[in-house]
Amino acid sequence: NAGVTQTPKFQVLKTGQSMTLQCAQDMNHEYMSWYRQDPGMGLRLIHYSVGAGITDQGEVPNGYNVSRSTTEDFPLRLLSAAPSQTSVYFCASSRRGIVGYGYTFGSGTRLTVV
Amino acid sequence: AQTVTQSQPEMSVQEAETVTLSCTYDTSESDYYLFWYKQPPSRQMILVIRQEAYKQQNATENRFSVNFQKAAKSFSLKISDSQLGDAAMYFCAYRNTDSGNTPLVFGKGTRLSVIA
Repeated sequence: NAGVTQTPKFQVLKTGQSMTLQCAQDMNHEYMSWYRQDPGMGLRLIHYSVGAGITDQGEVPNGYNVSRSTTEDFPLRLLSAAPSQTSVYFCASSRRGIVGYGYTFGSGTRLTVV
Repeated sequence: AQTVTQSQPEMSVQEAETVTLSCTYDTSESDYYLFWYKQPPSRQMILVIRQEAYKQQNATENRFSVNFQKAAKSFSLKISDSQLGDAAMYFCAYRNTDSGNTPLVFGKGTRLSVIA
C-alpha cells in the first residue's frame, strides 16, 4: 500500500518555466488536495477535488492549474514559474464521508524557482 | 470561512517535562473535527490526535492529550513526558463534518524544541 506518492521530491526551475508536480494515491480516495507550505504561513490550500472531473480553488490558486481525470491522479501544473512559488508542496487525500480520519499526506516536493 | 490560530510560533520544553501548545479557531458550525499534526524534520505530516466537536470527552493518545473547550473555541495539545523525538512543527487543523467536501484548514504552526 503506497499511500500518496508525490514526484519529484526536489526540483529547481528557472523563472518562466512550466512544470507539473505529480500526485497519485492508491487508496481509492475521492478527495484530493494540494497545499503549499511556507515558513511562518502554515499550509495553505491551492486547489482541491472531491472526485474525478471536479476541481475547485483554494486560498492561493493563482499561477497553478489542476485537473482530475482519474480518481488516482491529481497533478498540479505551474504555468510560468515565479520566485514567489518557491515552496514545499504537499498533496493529500481522504475518503469522502470519513472526515474524522483526516488526510493522508504525500512526502512533499521542495520547489525552488530561481 | 473558518480560521485557525496558533499564537505560539515557537515553544521549548525540557526532556521529561510537560508542554501545552495552544490553538483557537473560528467557526459558525456546530459539528466539526479538530486535529493536531506533527511535522518532524523529515517533512512528513503525521496525525497525532483528533477530536470530534460533538464528543465532550477530551481525546487522548498515549502521551498526547487535548483540552477541548467548545464554547471558547479552544483546542490545546498537551505533551507529557516530552521526548527528544517530539521536537517538530505542530499544526492545528479544522475540518467541517460535511461528507468530506470541505478542505482541512491549518494554523501557522508551532515549532517545538525539546532540550535534553
